[in-house]
Amino acid sequence: ELKVEQNPLFLSMQEGKNYTIYCNYSTTSDRLYWYRQDPGKSLESLFVLLSNGAVKQEGRLMASLDTKARLSTLHITAAVHDLSATYFCAVDNSGGGADGLTFGKGTHLIIQP
Amino acid sequence: DTGVSQNPRHKITKRGQNVTFRCDPISEHNRLYWYRQTLGQGPEFLTYFQNEAQLEKSRLLSDRFSAERPKGSFSTLEIQRTEQGDSAMYLCASSPRYEQYFGPGTRLTVT
Repeated sequence: ELKVEQNPLFLSMQEGKNYTIYCNYSTTSDRLYWYRQDPGKSLESLFVLLSNGAVKQEGRLMASLDTKARLSTLHITAAVHDLSATYFCAVDNSGGGADGLTFGKGTHLIIQP
Repeated sequence: DTGVSQNPRHKITKRGQNVTFRCDPISEHNRLYWYRQTLGQGPEFLTYFQNEAQLEKSRLLSDRFSAERPKGSFSTLEIQRTEQGDSAMYLCASSPRYEQYFGPGTRLTVT
């Protein structure tokens, strides 16, 4: 059974600081996804990582994937308050999406002035 | 708006009643997924359609749950004889291949 673990589960940080969220998963997969969820809202797709070594950046967020280590990271640079949200990583282990995605528990991020 | 839409957005029902939710995917997305999310948790996969065929069902999907996608367009998720444990956000997502686009969800409260 595929397990996806995120850490930390809760993170409070100051504006302007850098930090990294980690996502480990238990079985081989070449596809990993990062989503953002604001309170009471649905999930917004941030990044789709489709191969080993993939790195994607959007604004202050950068995601990477190491399939050999079964690890993805979401790095936040010079955090701003607007990035406060819950971030989920999710893994597709079916080779085509047929099993849906397995999500981590999420990292609740609070960025304080 | 060409995103995934779900109706109703909120549903309050009494235990034992049946409820049905609808999902309209992004047009031309042949893959459609249902997930359930409880407070403080990540979404959990329930079922998957490719066009009109239901190809996968999670063990979370008890026999009180049924999903359809007639003609490969919109989908419905029905819960019969609702229980308090069914209270959750029910999310629908559609996909052309890999990336899944989520709808706003239907929040179900069973009293």
